[in-house]
Amino acid sequence: AQSVTQPDIHITVSEGASLELRCNYSYGATPYLFWYVQSPGQGLQLLLKYFSGDTLVQGIKGFEAEFKRSQSSFNLRKPSVHWSDAAEYFCAVGGRAAGNKLTFGGGTRVLVKP
Amino acid sequence: EAGVVQSPRYKIIEKKQPVAFWCNPISGHNTLYWYLQNLGQGPELLIRYENEEAVDDSQLPKDRFSAERLKGVDSTLKIQPAELGDSAVYLCASSSGVRNEQFFGPGTRLTVL
Repeated sequence: AQSVTQPDIHITVSEGASLELRCNYSYGATPYLFWYVQSPGQGLQLLLKYFSGDTLVQGIKGFEAEFKRSQSSFNLRKPSVHWSDAAEYFCAVGGRAAGNKLTFGGGTRVLVKP
Repeated sequence: EAGVVQSPRYKIIEKKQPVAFWCNPISGHNTLYWYLQNLGQGPELLIRYENEEAVDDSQLPKDRFSAERLKGVDSTLKIQPAELGDSAVYLCASSSGVRNEQFFGPGTRLTVL
């Protein structure tokens, strides 16, 4: 069975500081990996995705993520956080072997201090 | 291009009442998903449609939940009767089937009193 673990429930970061959100997955075949962001009262917006190829993926809003197969990880990073980045972030895994089913992690809530 | 549309955005009902949620996916997207999101948790799949066919409904509590996707476009998710534990956000998503990229609607926040 596929699963996603986001070890950090909350992260507080100062504006302008760097941010890294951790994601570990379990999947029995080649995974498709995603990061979504959800602002309060809003739906999920796709930040970036990994299907194959270059393991460093660039996304929207200045985010990037690196796929590390040996560590079963897909961590999300941003060099300099803006106050508008305060939101909840979800990592998800899926793929053809799972019948196109996405499994989400529990999310990490990011708070940005001025 | 319009995104995934859901209505209503908010719904408050008393327990044992029925409730229905509507979703209009992105035009041309054959795959439609309904997710349940409890407070502080990630979305969990309830049902997935490929066109009109429900291809994965293993997580749908069929004693009280039902869904339909007539004509392979819009979809309706129904709960009858609602229970207190059904209070959550119900998200609809759609994809063109290409590598699982799903686009989400804003969700319907259900409160059962």
